[in-house]
Amino acid sequence: DIQMTQSPSTLSASVGDRVTITCRASQSISSWLAWYQQKPGKAPKLLIYKASSLESGVPSRFSGSGSGTEFTLTISSLQPDDFATYYCQQYNSYLGTFGQGTKVEIK
Amino acid sequence: EVQLVESGGGLVKPGGSLRLSCAASGFTFSSYSMNWVRQAPGKGLEWVSSISSSSSYIYYADSVKGRFTISRDNAKNSLYLQMNSLRAEDTAVYYCARTEGIAAEADYWGQGTLVTVSS
Repeated sequence: DIQMTQSPSTLSASVGDRVTITCRASQSISSWLAWYQQKPGKAPKLLIYKASSLESGVPSRFSGSGSGTEFTLTISSLQPDDFATYYCQQYNSYLGTFGQGTKVEIK
Repeated sequence: EVQLVESGGGLVKPGGSLRLSCAASGFTFSSYSMNWVRQAPGKGLEWVSSISSSSSYIYYADSVKGRFTISRDNAKNSLYLQMNSLRAEDTAVYYCARTEGIAAEADYWGQGTLVTVSS
């Protein structure tokens, strides 16, 4: 099974900060990686797919990069609405596995 | 507008059964794979089961294999999860989610339904 490891687990940042979250796969997954945002009590929301493609309607301050085993999600200028938990997910194989999540908190 | 609405959650005793449903609208249901993803209280996301558009391919996480059964009715635009032999560790919010293929990103999610397994 492919394991996904996110870092950090928690991140404290201020509005306007540039934020980077890292996701590592236990084996190569090419570019088959998605990023989701989840707010308390809500369903996850797709932000990025195929490692770097921005989902329709998602603000351009979100970007994704990477391939193989190392991936990053970057928020170029953190906004109040961005305080949430972020998950990466591989779909190189069926039953895609998620990272453990990164909570972005207000500093 | 794409909508996925789960129902059927509730409180059940260990060893009991429950059937979840997901009603889909706003898209051609029979063209998409569908999935169940769960989230235990305060925990991360776990992909539970997937079913292809014509039900030809079905997959389960090891944690539920042999106890859960996924199915769909394309005529009714509905997805189901039959959960048997429930355990305390199955307690979670269960989301249905749409994917374009059997291994793809989930672009739409329902609001979730809570399953609590407790005596």
